[in-house]
Amino acid sequence: DAEITQSPRHKITETGRQVTLACHQTWNHNNMFWYRQDLGHGLRLIHYSYGVHDTNKGEVSDGYSVSRSNTEDLPLTLESAASSQTSVYFCASSDPDRLATDTQYFGPGTRLTVL
Amino acid sequence: GEDVEQSLFLSVREGDSSVINCTYTDSSSTYLYWYKQEPGAGLQLLTYIFSNMDMKQDQRLTVLLNKKDKHLSLRIADTQTGDSAIYFCAEGLPPGNKLTFGTGTQLKVEL
Repeated sequence: DAEITQSPRHKITETGRQVTLACHQTWNHNNMFWYRQDLGHGLRLIHYSYGVHDTNKGEVSDGYSVSRSNTEDLPLTLESAASSQTSVYFCASSDPDRLATDTQYFGPGTRLTVL
Repeated sequence: GEDVEQSLFLSVREGDSSVINCTYTDSSSTYLYWYKQEPGAGLQLLTYIFSNMDMKQDQRLTVLLNKKDKHLSLRIADTQTGDSAIYFCAEGLPPGNKLTFGTGTQLKVEL
């Protein structure tokens, strides 16, 4: 079955370190998204991509970057981790050409702790 | 982004109906969604409604949309303990149907 996976599922790092969270989907979806989930804020969009080599900033993009070198992967990089980036991160994908509602399907999440 | 608001908590007895409410602000929404998140898991799409519809029923789930008041609700009939979770509404906004999520409503089902 096609799916969307994230790795690692849990990560502890130190302030100032570079961290990369992986997201991989096997649906061949064009659209991919990164969100962070924090109490009281729901999910907030960090970055998104509508295809290979396309990336766009979301609502809370400061301190994060993404790159899209193929359809399947959208890694999220924290250039210099800060304690404010402690959160649960979710990746999602969708394809309006295949799904009339352009529904987003979510990965299981990565819990990141920055000490 | 635009604000999407939900109440934080709802507690119901098993067998009763649950109604989770959501208000949104952007009238250009294309679709509105309800997602369910169980503890330690990702978000699972429950149902959706196109912005030109008033109601959608899917088994125990009924979605009502009042476009004039920008109000969306999810009714769960015969609520079960397995329905305990956090429920998020989200509006899809052009271009590309980017989602703006509400803060989530934690539903607790008591015996």
